[in-house]
Amino acid sequence: GENVEQHPSTLSVQEGDSAVIKCTYSDSASNYFPWYKQELGKGPQLIIDIRSNVGEKKDQRIAVTLNKTAKHFSLHITETQPEDSAVYFCAARPGGSYIPTFGRGTSLIVHP
Amino acid sequence: DAGVIQSPRHEVTEMGQEVTLRCKPISGHNSLFWYRQTMMRGLELLIYFNNNVPIDDSGMPEDRFSAKMPNASFSTLKIQPSEPRDSAVYFCASSWEGGEAFFGQGTRLTVV
Repeated sequence: GENVEQHPSTLSVQEGDSAVIKCTYSDSASNYFPWYKQELGKGPQLIIDIRSNVGEKKDQRIAVTLNKTAKHFSLHITETQPEDSAVYFCAARPGGSYIPTFGRGTSLIVHP
Repeated sequence: DAGVIQSPRHEVTEMGQEVTLRCKPISGHNSLFWYRQTMMRGLELLIYFNNNVPIDDSGMPEDRFSAKMPNASFSTLKIQPSEPRDSAVYFCASSWEGGEAFFGQGTRLTVV
């Protein structure tokens, strides 16, 4: 089955800096890569996703990149704000499956 | 729609007792997932239903865990008998045809 590795487990940045979270996956059949943000006491919420026919996708301050050859994808957050502090999860889902496999999560702390 | 609704939000029970967690998926969604979240193991898929039928239950830890989906608007996860190592946050999520998975707020289970 699919295996997703996520790094780093903790990331601490100053407000205004950029943050990058990286994930690798094992199943070359994976074609859908969502990113979730989990705030304290809440369930994960989708913030952005990318499909395998696209190399990069942006939505305001967040962007995702995908390298299918290397089987890795990354989340980039620019101009970080304290409200970006949360746990971020990457996931990968093989084609033909409805089940995403999640990474272990990255705790992002943005210091004012 | 109010989103995925889970109950209870918190549950404290004694070892050996039966625990039932409940989930109401988003109306119209045909996929339902139960996840368990712990610090040690991250987000683990327990079971996946499609059109009310269990498709993948390989993540169910052992016979003490069981899940049902009697209709499209309700699912339960039952633990009998409960053990302290079952303490975790349990999430229910739903989606339509493999689209974005929407998570509930979770049930924090503590077994003492």
